Amino acid sequence: DAEITQSPRHKITETGRQVTLACHQTWNHNNMFWYRQDLGHGLRLIHYSYGVQDTNKGEVSDGYSVSRSNTEDLPLTLESAASSQTSVYFCASSNTRRGPLGDTQYFGPGTRLTVL
Amino acid sequence: ELKVEQNPLFLSMQEGKNYTIYCNYSTTSDRLYWYRQDPGKSLESLFVLLSNGAVKQEGRLMASLDTKARLSTLHITAAVHDLSATYFCAVGAGGTSYGKLTFGQGTILTVHP
Repeated sequence: DAEITQSPRHKITETGRQVTLACHQTWNHNNMFWYRQDLGHGLRLIHYSYGVQDTNKGEVSDGYSVSRSNTEDLPLTLESAASSQTSVYFCASSNTRRGPLGDTQYFGPGTRLTVL
Repeated sequence: ELKVEQNPLFLSMQEGKNYTIYCNYSTTSDRLYWYRQDPGKSLESLFVLLSNGAVKQEGRLMASLDTKARLSTLHITAAVHDLSATYFCAVGAGGTSYGKLTFGQGTILTVHP
C-alpha cells in the first residue's frame, strides 16, 4: 500500500544545530508539503514543492529550507535550530491531476521536534 | 490571500445531540476538504467536496459545500464519544497554486455523556 513516512518521529536537539527531517512518499505524488503545528496556530505551511527541482516558500519559511531531487522525498532542514522551532512537523503529499479526490493531501505521522 | 475561518473553535457536546461546525473562506474556490485529527496523531481525510451543492455523508457526519456563500458545514448527528477529535476544513487554491490548501484553525470537539 502507498504511504508517506517521516523520520525521526521524535528529535531533541540543541539551539544552533542543523537538523534535517525526512519525508518519503510512495504515492508517486508530484506535490509535497511541510507544515508545522503549534497550539493556537493550527497548521502553518513552511515549504512546498510541485515537482522535482521545484520548491516554494510558505507562510513561515524563515529558518527552514527544502530541496527536491526526486519524486519520493522532500527533506526539511533547519539551518540553525531555535527554541521557537520546537513544534510538531507534518509532511503531506497530493496528486497533481484533477480527479475525484481533487488535491486531497495525505499526511505523514509527524515528527515532534524539541529544541533546547 | 485566501483566509479560512472555522467556528466554533471549541465545542463541547452531550452524547446524542446534534451540532454543526462552520467553515467560511474568503475567496472563490470549488474544492473543500474536511480532516479529522485525534490527539497525538496525524490528519486523516474525511470528506472531499468538489462542487457547489456537494454533500457527503459518513456515519454520523455529513458535510456540505455552498461555493456561492463560500461556506461549508460539518453536521454531527447524535454525537457519540468516538467523535471526539479536532476537525479541520481546508480550502483549495486556484490557478497555478492548484494543490496548495489553506487550513482553518481547527475545531476541538469533545463529546461527553
